[in-house]
Amino acid sequence: NAGVTQTPKFQVLKTGQSMTLQCAQDMNHEYMSWYRQDPGMGLRLIHYSVGAGITDQGEVPNGYNVSRSTTEDFPLRLLSAAPSQTSVYFCASSYLGVAFFGQGTRLTVV
Amino acid sequence: AQSVTQLGSHVSVSEGALVLLRCNYSSSVPPYLFWYVQYPNQGLQLLLKYTTGATLVKGINGFEAEFKKSETSFHLTKPSAHMSDAAEYFCAVSGPQAAGNKLTFGGGTRVLVKP
Repeated sequence: NAGVTQTPKFQVLKTGQSMTLQCAQDMNHEYMSWYRQDPGMGLRLIHYSVGAGITDQGEVPNGYNVSRSTTEDFPLRLLSAAPSQTSVYFCASSYLGVAFFGQGTRLTVV
Repeated sequence: AQSVTQLGSHVSVSEGALVLLRCNYSSSVPPYLFWYVQYPNQGLQLLLKYTTGATLVKGINGFEAEFKKSETSFHLTKPSAHMSDAAEYFCAVSGPQAAGNKLTFGGGTRVLVKP
């Protein structure tokens, strides 16, 4: 019973590098979202998707891209990493008003 | 626009004492309200939610919260703290159209339980 799976768990990037954070869910939820968690700021919504082929911006979308080609997968792309993107990233899938979170990816940009 | 304010970034309680975590929200539409808990190095887990109906909501692990519209509050309580309650707690709000899918979180309250 995997739920929401995020990979990798940890990543260190150099400024300007690109990478993709992977997120997969096996609950057949239509709704998926990405949040970043920073100390004292709670979680902030980056991007979300209401179903395959449909994505939209959240509160802090700059510097991030997403796509949703299947119900199961919702990858988050950093095109050119910046130190301000150092954070813990959480993917979630939702159903009937309940969000199920992955374990998170801790990203450090140096 | 919506916002959530959690009073106190850190709370220390003795084992067996009352746990009270404060949450106030701002919303231009009827809110859906949530409390999530995060244990170290883990994702968030839903404790309880309010959507409509009864304003006193019971959740897992003995927690409950009361929606008070006049005070725009959704405070979380537990009568008797246990060591396993040490974690960070987040209050969150969404509009009814988003139905808990687009969440706006408060800054979080870290709970320390003293033996």
